[in-house]
Amino acid sequence: AQKVTQAQTEISVVEKEDVTLDCVYETRDTTYYLFWYKQPPSGELVFLIRRNSFDEQNEISGRYSWNFQKSTSSFNFTITASQVVDSAVYFCALSIEFGSARQLTFGSGTQLTVLP
Amino acid sequence: DSGVTQTPKHLITATGQRVTLRCSPRSGDLSVYWYQQSLDQGLQFLIQYYNGEERAKGNILERFSAQQFPDLHSELNLSSLELGDSALYFCASSVLASGSETQYFGPGTRLLVL
Repeated sequence: AQKVTQAQTEISVVEKEDVTLDCVYETRDTTYYLFWYKQPPSGELVFLIRRNSFDEQNEISGRYSWNFQKSTSSFNFTITASQVVDSAVYFCALSIEFGSARQLTFGSGTQLTVLP
Repeated sequence: DSGVTQTPKHLITATGQRVTLRCSPRSGDLSVYWYQQSLDQGLQFLIQYYNGEERAKGNILERFSAQQFPDLHSELNLSSLELGDSALYFCASSVLASGSETQYFGPGTRLLVL
């Protein structure tokens, strides 16, 4: 079975600070996909990134960066120079290529609050 | 805007009632997923349809059912509603049914059962 753990329930930072959101996953499959979604106070789920298990290259998109390490089964998300608009719940999720778990298995989410 | 639409946005009903939630996927997407987000259970997968056929089932109660129509829109039917069914229900869509696909989520329907 697949499992995603986001141990940080809530994080609070002051604007312009860097913040890292942790995600640890479990799967026995060798082909899998990892995702990050953002849920702002308005409630919708916004897709941020997808990474497949064969691509360990880190990715940077503006102030966002992702660090994927298969050795530790982690897919951490860093926001550089955080802004108040980054305040949201962030979800890490996992899916596998085939079988009954092609749907997303979500972590419990991390509530990020960025204070002005 | 993800391109996935859900109606209604909010729904208030009473215990024992039946409601229908509607979802229209992104243009070109054949697969539709339903998820439930509640405070105690988090985000949980309910059911997936691909091109009109059921593809996968998650923690969906027997009181709940879904279908995908020929125009690819989907409906989630919730019956004999209980207080614990109060939640945010999301629909997501993707092009194909594979786990490699990115799922794009609609804005959700917030259901309150009184």
